[in-house]
Amino acid sequence: DAKTTQPNSMESNEEEPVHLPCNHSTISGTDYIHWYRQLPSQGPEYVIHGLTSNVNNRMASLAIAEDRKSSTLILHRATLRDAAVYYCILSQAAGNKLTFGGGTRVLVKP
Amino acid sequence: NAGVMQNPRHLVRRRGQEARLRCSPVKGHSHVYWYRQLPEEGLKFMVYLQKENIIDESGMPKERFSAEFPKEGPSILRIQQVVRGDSAAYFCASSQQTGSSYNEQFFGPGTRLTVL
Repeated sequence: DAKTTQPNSMESNEEEPVHLPCNHSTISGTDYIHWYRQLPSQGPEYVIHGLTSNVNNRMASLAIAEDRKSSTLILHRATLRDAAVYYCILSQAAGNKLTFGGGTRVLVKP
Repeated sequence: NAGVMQNPRHLVRRRGQEARLRCSPVKGHSHVYWYRQLPEEGLKFMVYLQKENIIDESGMPKERFSAEFPKEGPSILRIQQVVRGDSAAYFCASSQQTGSSYNEQFFGPGTRLTVL
């Protein structure tokens, strides 16, 4: 699987947006970009995924660069419950293992 | 609807004993994945199963570890003759296989194994 690079940690204030970058310069044409997050002492949770176009759902937005070599997960208004480790993962669409890197630990300050 | 269920949530074993971890996928899901998270580390893929078949076991240690997903009942991850280095959180995930091209994985709460 192609490798992703994320900052180790980010801090945000509550109610402010959070932009989490991910670099994936070796992405292949059929790789999906997935984001999962892991809250403390819980299993990972799906956040969003995309292939080429920007995506929005109730949890977040995903902005994908035109060359697909990077992407940004956007949490529009961070809450204390958004404090977690966020993982950017590349893989084929279906029936494939997820290769987790170190992720970005997000700290939300009240 | 129940999500992925794992039991036990906490398991303590002495060195040399066997550990059996169970995973019930989301109802209707036919694909199960097992991941391991060592203390202070990221999650590592272990094995991917469909009903009665192992599809990818590239992340499974060569010895002592086995997994199954029978036609009826939960998926089982079995660790024989546990050692202290097996202490970790073991997460199970499931997904469904449909005609659509994308299937997210739903994770369970994990089983935290402690080997004394």
